[in-house]
Amino acid sequence: GAVVSQHPSWVICKSGTSVKIECRSLDFQATTMFWYRQFPKQSLMLMATSNEGSKATYEQGVEKDKFLINHASLTLSTLTVTSAHPEDSSFYICSAKGAFPYNEQFFGPGTRLTVL
Amino acid sequence: SQQGEEDPQALSIQEGENATMNCSYKTSINNLQWYRQNSGRGLVHLILIRSNEREKHSGRLRVTLDTSKKSSSLLITASRAADTASYFCATVLGGANSKLTFGKGITLSVRP
Repeated sequence: GAVVSQHPSWVICKSGTSVKIECRSLDFQATTMFWYRQFPKQSLMLMATSNEGSKATYEQGVEKDKFLINHASLTLSTLTVTSAHPEDSSFYICSAKGAFPYNEQFFGPGTRLTVL
Repeated sequence: SQQGEEDPQALSIQEGENATMNCSYKTSINNLQWYRQNSGRGLVHLILIRSNEREKHSGRLRVTLDTSKKSSSLLITASRAADTASYFCATVLGGANSKLTFGKGITLSVRP
């Protein structure tokens, strides 16, 4: 299957700082990328959907000014957690999908964010 | 709100036994997918079953879909210790909406 990478795999930061997480599709062009958040022992919750070259669509309850998403190319999307707080500590997972009719989303390995 | 609800939430079996996990959902769907997640890792896609399909096989995996009951089951035959992981079902509504909506997940432990 297609490969999606995330960087970094884990990050620890101080409260109030911003953290950028990259998601890359390595061997295909991802027209759509998705960002999920997963708290311990819970399911994945979709945060936002981003299409290359356009603004991300955020799910209800997700603050777009806090979680900045940039999908500047067909192989790269970034999620920036601005002014991070301890409650933002979570596992962030991205997925990437090619153009229709390919239905499958390919998931990255996740990024563990810990905010002190 | 979450679409899928799996049961049981936790399952512990002996190596060699079969594991059956169920998922129920609430709305009409285009397809349903099953994923595996090892602890602290990303998701691995296992199998996709479309709304017009009733059963699908992939190696030791067998998935069924009953759209009248809005439910699906994942059967892992001859389980191995390496099958220990969390399993999630996820639904796709279809059309222009390709979002995956995940269930809460099932934690499977396979004892060697």
